[in-house]
Amino acid sequence: GNSVTQMEGPVTLSEEAFLTINCTYTATGYPSLFWYVQYPGEGLQLLLKATKADDKGSNKGFEATYRKETTSFHLEKGSVQVSDSAVYFCALSDNMSGAQKLVFGQGTRLTINP
Amino acid sequence: GAGVSQSPSNKVTEKGKDVELRCDPISGHTALYWYRQSLGQGLEFLIYFQGNSAPDKSGLPSDRFSAERTGGSVSTLTIQRTQQEDSAVYLCASSPQGDQPQHFGDGTRLSIL
Repeated sequence: GNSVTQMEGPVTLSEEAFLTINCTYTATGYPSLFWYVQYPGEGLQLLLKATKADDKGSNKGFEATYRKETTSFHLEKGSVQVSDSAVYFCALSDNMSGAQKLVFGQGTRLTINP
Repeated sequence: GAGVSQSPSNKVTEKGKDVELRCDPISGHTALYWYRQSLGQGLEFLIYFQGNSAPDKSGLPSDRFSAERTGGSVSTLTIQRTQQEDSAVYLCASSPQGDQPQHFGDGTRLSIL
């Protein structure tokens, strides 16, 4: 079945550091890929998405590129801020049924220190 | 505008009791999803409703779990004869249509004693 594996946390960085959170997936067909973020005390929010190979999703300074050859969708940000502290989830949907039944990775807790 | 609303925000109950969790999706959203977030299993899909079609129940972990969606809007997730492994945060999400990004509620934290 479909699955998502993401970098285990927790990850702790200093402000203005470069961030990479690795995500790889296993899926049949051509899934859509997502990064969701959960800020402290808040619900899950869509951060960015990509629907086909070589697409780049971007939002709030974060980027991720859909790499079919390596089945990866790594999240990057060039200069993190304290406000980026949150739990990040990589996810896919298989687009097979017309629904977006999301399959999530385990989540990576990110803490940014001033 | 109003987002996805879930109630209660917290629920503590004794093992063996039945519980009902409620989800009010964003007005006009035809697709509704339930997920479960637990320490052992992470975030898992449970069930999906799209308009008046039969729901996709492929993620429900046992026959103790059921859900309905009345009038194409509010949904209720029911867990019968609760077990300790049912302790989790139950998340509801809705989207304008099935293939569009989902908006999540804040979840119901369920604790089984």
